[in-house]
Amino acid sequence: EDQVTQSPEALRLQEGESSSLNCSYTVSGLRGLFWYRQDPGKGPEFLFTLYSAGEEKEKERLKATLTKKESFLHITAPKPEDSATYLCAVQVLPGGTSYGKLTFGQGTILTVHP
Amino acid sequence: EAGVTQSPTHLIKTRGQQATLRCSPISGHTSVYWYQQALGLGLQFLLWYDEGEERNRGNFPPRFSGRQFPNYSSELNVNALELEDSALYLCASSPGTGRVYEQYFGPGTRLTVT
Repeated sequence: EDQVTQSPEALRLQEGESSSLNCSYTVSGLRGLFWYRQDPGKGPEFLFTLYSAGEEKEKERLKATLTKKESFLHITAPKPEDSATYLCAVQVLPGGTSYGKLTFGQGTILTVHP
Repeated sequence: EAGVTQSPTHLIKTRGQQATLRCSPISGHTSVYWYQQALGLGLQFLLWYDEGEERNRGNFPPRFSGRQFPNYSSELNVNALELEDSALYLCASSPGTGRVYEQYFGPGTRLTVT
């Protein structure tokens, strides 16, 4: 069964204090790993897709990396507006019963204090 | 470009009633996905429709059903509502073809069962 585990569950940072969020995954065959940001009561907002080990993507203060077992979301010099829940999800290759769906982790709640 | 839209924003029903939730995908997207986000349980995959056909469904009872219309919009029906069906129901869409696998989410419908 595909599994996604995110850590930590919650992270409190001071503005400007860089850190990383972890996403460990176990899947039969990875098609893609996705990062989303979700604000309270809203739908997840797409951030990144990573397809293969060694791949990196960047957007403003965020950088996502991927290995064969885990992904990291690095946040550099965060601001209060970066406060949100960050979700990691995986999608598997065609052919299995899990095809098409995203399997999500529980998320990391990030709070950035001014 | 308009994003994924969902209606209604909020829905309050009584146990045993039926609920109908609606979703319009991003223009040009043919795949629609439904997810349930209950408090403390994370996002759980419900259903995937593509080109009018149900392609996959998650581990939910048959009283959760849906359909996709010729214009690619979709409807989720929940029969015989139970208290534990109270959740944020999220719809997502993707192009359905090519190498773009990201799913883009709508704002959700908050269903409350009393």
